[in-house]
Order: sequence, then structure tokens, then C-alpha cells
Amino acid sequence: QKEVEQNSGPLSVPEGAIASLNCTYSDRGSQSFFWYRQYSGKSPELIMSIYSNGDKEDGRFTAQLNKASQYVSLLIRDSQPSDSATYLCAVTGAGSYQLTFGKGTKLSVIP
Amino acid sequence: GAVVSQHPSWVICKSGTSVKIECRSLDFQATTMFWYRQFPKQSLMLMATSNEGSKATYEQGVEKDKFLINHASLTLSTLTVTSAHPEDSSFYICSATRTYSANSYNEQFFGPGTRLTVL
Repeated sequence: QKEVEQNSGPLSVPEGAIASLNCTYSDRGSQSFFWYRQYSGKSPELIMSIYSNGDKEDGRFTAQLNKASQYVSLLIRDSQPSDSATYLCAVTGAGSYQLTFGKGTKLSVIP
Repeated sequence: GAVVSQHPSWVICKSGTSVKIECRSLDFQATTMFWYRQFPKQSLMLMATSNEGSKATYEQGVEKDKFLINHASLTLSTLTVTSAHPEDSSFYICSATRTYSANSYNEQFFGPGTRLTVL
């Protein structure tokens, strides 16, 4: 059974701070890793994808992947109230497009 | 960008009627699309995998005769909820997989969702 674990939160950070979201996965064969943002009542929005070990930066977002530790994280710099949402970690296995989601971490950025 | 549309965005219907939801990838071709359902304050639940030109693969517990899926082209998949009942009221979301030929990486993009209310 493939599992993706996330701290459900809520995670509260002050505006302007760095928010750090973490995720672990059980399937060592996982190949692709994603972070989605989902606002209440809306569908998920892809914000980061990462496929190899290391860091990947896109604007205020940095994804970090460590396959040896089966760990993926998302850093949000200069957090804004508009970043308040549920962040979903998702992975796909070898030869599959099907996403396995974590239950999501609810982030609140306090003005 | 990669845009996935869904139509309608919301629908209200009477119990016993059928409702068709369309999912389109607007600027890329998607051989694989997925259909999810989400109840309030709950996680996304995968209903089925839709592959262009072949029968959909349904997750355990999802009735294939009730939730008809057709993936007629590389940009369109449809979900028909047949003989809908109030317990089918939910937020239905599709996603489409985009594959990048340069490196075979793939990303899955979600449509905006369809909110179904069955009276």
C-alpha cells in the first residue's frame, strides 16, 4: 500500500515568514513528486513538480527532494495571507500517472 | 500554460436524472485523464482512470454502470452520472496528464471542478 504522509496542521506562520511543509512517502519506487495548493471549495492547483534529488526553485517556492530519506518538502518564502490554503503532496510510481496524495497540510498565514 | 476546463461548473438536477460533465485539456493532448470526487472537508477520492480510446478503469467501490466515462479524443473526457440521487451530490473534479516529450516527465493538471446537487 503506497502511502504519503503529511502533517495535517494547521500550520500558522506570520506574514513575511518562511512556511515549511513536509511530506514522506513509503514507495521507494516513486518517481515524480508534486505539490498542489487547494483553496477551500476549489480544485487543486499544481505549484511545483520535482523529479530528481536536490532543490528546485520557482519564485517564492522551493521544493526539496531526498529520495534516500523518502522525503519531499516545500518552502514558501515571504508568506502572504493569500498563501493560506491546504497544500497537498502527491507522488507517482514507476510507469504510472496515478497520483497518490497525502491528506494535506492546512497553512494559515497571519497578517 | 496547461489549462483544463470543465463544463458545467455547477448543476442542480432532480433525483433520477442523468448528468454529463465534460473535461477538456485546452492546450495539450492528454492520453490519460482522471476523475475525482470530493465531499466537504474530505480528501480527493479517485473514481476512475480514463484512457483515450479504451475503457475506463474504476476504483474499488465505484459503480461503473452509474458513472459512465468516455474518453473519445485526446482532449475530451466525459463523466455521466446516471440516475443521480442525493447521495451523489458532490464536487467532481477531472485532471489531465501532460507528458513532456523532451524528458518524459509528466504533470497532472486539474479542472476547476463541477459542483453537483441532486434534489
